Amino acid sequence: GAVVSQHPSRVICKSGTSVKIECRSLDFQATTMFWYRQFPKKSLMLMATSNEGSKATYEQGVEKDKFLINHASLTLSTLTVTSAHPEDSSFYICSARPALTDLAKNIQYFGAGTRLSVL
Amino acid sequence: DAKTTQPPSMDCAEGRAANLPCNHSTISGNEYVYWYRQIHSQGPQYIIHGLKNNETNEMASLIITEDRKSSTLILPHATLRDTAVYYCIVSSNDYKLSFGAGTTVTVRA
Repeated sequence: GAVVSQHPSRVICKSGTSVKIECRSLDFQATTMFWYRQFPKKSLMLMATSNEGSKATYEQGVEKDKFLINHASLTLSTLTVTSAHPEDSSFYICSARPALTDLAKNIQYFGAGTRLSVL
Repeated sequence: DAKTTQPPSMDCAEGRAANLPCNHSTISGNEYVYWYRQIHSQGPQYIIHGLKNNETNEMASLIITEDRKSSTLILPHATLRDTAVYYCIVSSNDYKLSFGAGTTVTVRA
């Protein structure tokens, strides 16, 4: 149980185009999903917190107009990298926090990640 | 959230127990200790969490000191597939996980 599917696993795009990444919780409902970015040999950095039915909360320094997040249902969140540039090339990872999790516990289940390469 | 300190790397022999230490001296009363791991080029995987009691599941055991200022993750019989970066995270109920550098564990045959 607790499977998070992330698609695509890898995408190569031209500079200036937009890329959409999907994150789905397959066997549980998630009121909260998270988007992280990871550069080579670095740790994960939280980009934004996505709550179903409301606007995402972005971490300091993350451009909300460039990284559009939509959390339209309890099982799906999407991240759209708009007008992608080579510096946006990175490993993007989503996670989901089950809706029925004890409020005091912060267990998140992660997708396999999306490797974005912008040419 | 309280910060954690972990050794940057450690080696262990296949089939032996791997003991991964973590210091979290500024942990507060409502903060849990979580362990995740990330195998190369994959998303992190939840391992175990605890508040003050020792915990065990099918993957690992978590030993938390009585003063809660440090903990140890124990992989009872390490296999080559346990080679990964292991993250010790202290988090309250703000739903965020702050990943540090973690410990790179290499299991050798």
